[in-house]
Amino acid sequence: EAEVAQSPRYKITEKSQAVAFWCDPISGHATLYWYRQILGQGPELLVQFQDESVVDDSQLPKDRFSAERLKGVDSTLKIQPAELGDSAMYLCASSHRLARELFFGEGSRLTVL
Amino acid sequence: AQSVSQHNHHVILSEAASLELGCNYSYGGTVNLFWYVQYPGQHLQLLLKYFSGDPLVKGIKGFEAEFIKSKFSFNLRKPSVQWSDTAEYFCAVKENGQFYFGTGTSLTVIP
Repeated sequence: EAEVAQSPRYKITEKSQAVAFWCDPISGHATLYWYRQILGQGPELLVQFQDESVVDDSQLPKDRFSAERLKGVDSTLKIQPAELGDSAMYLCASSHRLARELFFGEGSRLTVL
Repeated sequence: AQSVSQHNHHVILSEAASLELGCNYSYGGTVNLFWYVQYPGQHLQLLLKYFSGDPLVKGIKGFEAEFIKSKFSFNLRKPSVQWSDTAEYFCAVKENGQFYFGTGTSLTVIP
């Protein structure tokens, strides 16, 4: 079964450092999402791509977060500088253009010290 | 934007007990409804989904959910839980291409 690949699985960093997360969606999935999940809460959308274009980044803290999907396939989410409050699970999900459900990766757990 | 409420944060059941997890969303309109499950150490997986038609939806592993439009609800049920159902359960609503998730319910099944 095809899966959404994410790396790294775990990242520990000090505040003010830069971090980056990578996601490779299921082949053929045009829509890619980055979610942040804080412990005890549900996933919250950070950014949504349709192919290489940003569809929604209204909840992305653009002063420190950036996301790109240059060729419309894999994607990178960057945080610079990281803050203590950024400690969370960062989830990537993808969906087929015609499908109506999300397929999630295993996530990247970030701890900021 | 939709708001999704899951009333039970933590549920502890013995094996063979019946399960019902509540989910309500904030307002009507054309929505798609989902339940996702996250087993310990695993990624979020789709349990079941509702788009239209029969409001009683059957999913994997014996789970089902009922959509009650008048109550904006989509409650998850299973008649007899197993130890392997121990997981985090998330209700989600899709509207206008956006997914909105509840805060999740942690289910622990005691053998």
